[in-house]
Amino acid sequence: GENVEQHPSTLSVQEGDSAVIKCTYSDSASNYFPWYKQELGKGPQLIIDIRSNVGEKKDQRIAVTLNKTAKHFSLHITETQPEDSAVYFCAASPWNQGGKLIFGQGTELSVKP
Amino acid sequence: GAVVSQHPSWVICKSGTSVKIECRSLDFQATTMFWYRQFPKQSLMLMATSNEGSKATYEQGVEKDKFLINHASLTLSTLTVTSAHPEDSSFYICSAREAEPNYGYTFGSGTRLTVV
Repeated sequence: GENVEQHPSTLSVQEGDSAVIKCTYSDSASNYFPWYKQELGKGPQLIIDIRSNVGEKKDQRIAVTLNKTAKHFSLHITETQPEDSAVYFCAASPWNQGGKLIFGQGTELSVKP
Repeated sequence: GAVVSQHPSWVICKSGTSVKIECRSLDFQATTMFWYRQFPKQSLMLMATSNEGSKATYEQGVEKDKFLINHASLTLSTLTVTSAHPEDSSFYICSAREAEPNYGYTFGSGTRLTVV
């Protein structure tokens, strides 16, 4: 089945710097790749997603890139702010597995003022 | 945007009792709902997938007799933890997937279950 690896597990940046989180997936049937932000004690919130027919997507300070050949996708956050501090999860969804989302291990991002 | 309401947000129960968690899609019809379990500082682990009107599909290693899932309508799914034990204490999160053409996933706010 699908396996998603996420790195790094923790990331500390200064306010205003950029943050990059990387994920790799194993199943070539995966065609949907969302990124979620989770704050303590809450459910995950979608921040951006990308489908396999697109290589890059941007929404203000957040961007996601996808390399299907290498089975890599990455989250880029520019001009980080303290409120960006949270745990971020990537996920992949194979088109032939009933809509399952398989999550990466998570990255705890800390933005220091 | 799409909203999923999950209740209760936290519950404490005694060992041996059962607990029911509800997940409702408030402004859309969810063809599929998913239940996850999350331990502290860990990722979300998929427990089961449920489609309205049919039996849930459980992931390997998840006891279907212990974690009963009912998806009676396109807006409601319930997870019942039966004969709960302290090791069932965890954060349970539901997710609802919209019907075509959106296919978006929306997560509930989670339920913190503590079994004493």
